[in-house]
Amino acid sequence: DTAVSQTPKYLVTQMGNDKSIKCEQNLGHDTMYWYKQDSKKFLKIMFSYNNKELIINETVPNRFSPKSPDKAHLNLHINSLELGDSAVYFCASSQGGKDGYTFGSGTRLTVV
Amino acid sequence: QKEVEQDPGPLSVPEGAIVSLNCTYSNSAFQYFMWYRQYSRKGPELLMYTYSSGNKEDGRFTAQVDKSSKYISLFIRDSQPSDSATYLCAMSRGGSNYKLTFGKGTLLTVNP
Repeated sequence: DTAVSQTPKYLVTQMGNDKSIKCEQNLGHDTMYWYKQDSKKFLKIMFSYNNKELIINETVPNRFSPKSPDKAHLNLHINSLELGDSAVYFCASSQGGKDGYTFGSGTRLTVV
Repeated sequence: QKEVEQDPGPLSVPEGAIVSLNCTYSNSAFQYFMWYRQYSRKGPELLMYTYSSGNKEDGRFTAQVDKSSKYISLFIRDSQPSDSATYLCAMSRGGSNYKLTFGKGTLLTVNP
């Protein structure tokens, strides 16, 4: 049973389209995150939700909108996709943060 | 200066070698230090976790933190081909609204 699961694993889409990535965790964690990993493997935080409340919102274009319907789910919607949005997007969760994050396996987004 | 600096490598060693990976950081507020391992096309997985300065050992892996020098290290003894992966250091200030700042990762290849 996967602890943090993301769908889809791969997403190829054209510039200008709108797409969503879904994330679910079954660990009972209170906090969930979206990270972006670029082609050079650099992981950068985008958003964090604690119990459905947005607590971290880094400098991210407002074309990116997270939504957390409950503490086990955190989705990411991206409007008007651009070439520069191509990356791997990771969802993660943690409980209080002291024990580190559990990551999903990533969604590889390619914008053509 | 970036908050966390990590030599991206790549690093190539023969099987059985001792591997040393390290990161430096600039934010003296960081208290929690971690190492993640990321295999190709997978999500990062937590390898080692240390609070404040000191050493921690787990099997073939030893993590060291020197807060006075703002320097952390990961040592891998008797390296195996299965250790071939990207190793990412990560650190945080702690607290309940927990944000991890990652280094860029070091790509390690252990040759049989």
